[in-house]
Amino acid sequence: GAGVSQSPSNKVTEKGKDVELRCDPISGHTALYWYRQSLGQGLEFLIYFQGNSAPDKSGLPSDRFSAERTGGSVSTLTIQRTQQEDSAVYLCASSYMDQPQHFGDGTRLSIL
Amino acid sequence: SQQGEEDPQALSIQEGENATMNCSYKTSINNLQWYRQNSGRGLVHLILIRSNEREKHSGRLRVTLDTSKKSSSLLITASRAADTASYFCATDQAGTALIFGKGTTLSVSS
Repeated sequence: GAGVSQSPSNKVTEKGKDVELRCDPISGHTALYWYRQSLGQGLEFLIYFQGNSAPDKSGLPSDRFSAERTGGSVSTLTIQRTQQEDSAVYLCASSYMDQPQHFGDGTRLSIL
Repeated sequence: SQQGEEDPQALSIQEGENATMNCSYKTSINNLQWYRQNSGRGLVHLILIRSNEREKHSGRLRVTLDTSKKSSSLLITASRAADTASYFCATDQAGTALIFGKGTTLSVSS
C-alpha cells in the first residue's frame, strides 16, 4: 500500500508567517510522530500521537509549534510566526503497535 | 537531546569493501534500530535489535548490541555504490518516540 505522504514537499515563506505541514500516515497505523532534521542537530523528536491518548508534546521547541491529528489519521503541524531557526526538514512517521516506524520524505521548510 | 552517537561521522570506501559504523547510547533501552537515509528522502528502516539480543543479520547487514557497553555496530558487507547514504541509529526507551544519533555518512565509490 501507500507509504507515509507529506505535503508540501518544499515550502518557502517569509519570517513571521504561519505555516501548516501535513502528514498522511499509512492506513491503520495507530501511532504518528513528527521529527525535525536540521544541519548540525540531527533528528529531533517533536510530538507523538498514539490512538486516542493525549499527545506527547515534550519535544516541541516553543509554543509557536502545535500539532493535531484528526480522526486518528491525518496530522497537521503548525508553526506560527516563523523564525529563521525554524528552517529544517520536517519528517513524519507512523507505526502500528511495536513495529518499526515508516517515514515520509519530509517537508523542506525555508524561512527567508 | 541526542541519545545515540555514531562514529565515524563520515566513511568513504570502495565497492566490495565492508563498512562498519558504531553507535553509543546513554540510557537503558527496549531496542535499538538502524535507519538509512538517501539524500533528500525520508528514513528507511533497516533492522531492529532488542535489548535481549546480541546479534542480528539481515541480508548483507549485521548488527551487534552490547548493552553492558551501551553500544551497537552496523556492518555492511560487500558494499555497493547504492549503499551510499546516511545511516542513523535510534533507540527506543519506552515504546514511544525514537531518539536518533547524528548519523554516519557513507560514500561507496565504484
